[in-house]
Amino acid sequence: DQQVKQNSPSLSVQEGRISILNCDYTNSMFDYFLWYKKYPAEGPTFLISISSIKDKNEDGRFTVFLNKSAKHLSLHIVPSQPGDSAVYFCAASARSEDDMRFGAGTRLTVKP
Amino acid sequence: DSGVTQTPKHLITATGQRVTLRCSPRSGDLSVYWYQQSLDQGLQFLIQYYNGEERAKGNILERFSAQQFPDLHSELNLSSLELGDSALYFCASSGGLRSPLHFGNGTRLTVT
Repeated sequence: DQQVKQNSPSLSVQEGRISILNCDYTNSMFDYFLWYKKYPAEGPTFLISISSIKDKNEDGRFTVFLNKSAKHLSLHIVPSQPGDSAVYFCAASARSEDDMRFGAGTRLTVKP
Repeated sequence: DSGVTQTPKHLITATGQRVTLRCSPRSGDLSVYWYQQSLDQGLQFLIQYYNGEERAKGNILERFSAQQFPDLHSELNLSSLELGDSALYFCASSGGLRSPLHFGNGTRLTVT
């Protein structure tokens, strides 16, 4: 069951420009959302999170936006840097459950 | 370094065999999660343990089982292996609900 969906398998942007990664979810019980970054041969690493009581959370160059009515969240990276090239996973969990569900990932390539 | 240790890094075995993957969580983390990532797929949640007890179950096959020991390390047992079980298996730990997961670098299982 794909409760968390990342419909874009890949994204390519120019260095210095904005990267926007999108994520949709179907489970209305989800109330905690996270983004993870994964480099080859490594495990995913936590990037940024947002709870459903907020619609925006910012950490340096990274901002996550949450649109609860659309069941959609996005990650903005501004400005994008070549070191940001990685696979980005969206994840979600519900207060009533302990597991965390992940999307299929989006491979971001930032070109110099 | 996430503090989560997974062994072995690579495992090659034949169909029908049984293997055990091991995970040591971050110091102080009581929750351990197991995920499977098949070729270019997302992270599929398998199972979660909290302080030795099974807490949540995902798409885990009956041929697979896991446990968490009193010292909090966890093992994932995969039996009657099939070619389709070839994947990256990630372990993650967390300090509690609404806490990000910290992932190990995974065990790459190849079934021939």
